[in-house]
Amino acid sequence: QLQLQESGPGLVKASETLSLTCTVSGGSISGSDYYWGWLRQPPGKGLGWIGIIYNSGNSYYNPSLRSRVTVSVDTSKKQSSLNLRSVTAADTAVYYCARGGHFGDHVEAFDIWGRGTMVSVSS
Amino acid sequence: SSELTQDPAVSVALGQTVRITCQGDSLRTYYASWYQQKPGQAPVLVFCGRNNRPSGIPDRFSGSTSGNAASLTITGARAEDEADYYCTSRDSSDDHLVFGTGTTVTVL
Repeated sequence: QLQLQESGPGLVKASETLSLTCTVSGGSISGSDYYWGWLRQPPGKGLGWIGIIYNSGNSYYNPSLRSRVTVSVDTSKKQSSLNLRSVTAADTAVYYCARGGHFGDHVEAFDIWGRGTMVSVSS
Repeated sequence: SSELTQDPAVSVALGQTVRITCQGDSLRTYYASWYQQKPGQAPVLVFCGRNNRPSGIPDRFSGSTSGNAASLTITGARAEDEADYYCTSRDSSDDHLVFGTGTTVTVL
């Protein structure tokens, strides 16, 4: 079955760029039925949405992060990537990639998640 | 952008029924999706839309919606249902998503 795996540095220096990759295995990343999302969870806090990207290339971002984030997808490599620029300690979190889709009219959800990767920002 | 509000914590006796609620303007337009998250684990989708329960999710999990509120009900709670639960939906502006604040469910 489809599996997602996040990878990237576990430690990033403040003001630098956080870069993560999500590799898809066990199935196809192509097609218009789904999109690929990045989410995060600061230690002891709730889930937050960073951005999503369709295979068409259309992307949408959390307004609070829009100026610093880029999400991309490479269907040939079966990967999605996240770049978050000018990080601060507030960006320390577990970062998840997930597959999203529409499950009927006016409903969408992330049905498959990676295990997440912890990224700490050092000063 | 709109927000989704959840009660911080609820408790339920083993075998009883618990309802977790989520409120927000976006729910007047979009259905909620619900995720269960246990400590140290990734979230798991347990219910979405009007009546969509993913494969492998027990039928004791059900959902409903009314006005600007959505609910996830666990009927006959089990010890393994103890977790954090989050709701989410597309924002009313239609160009991004919003997550609820999360509810911690304790099974007594």
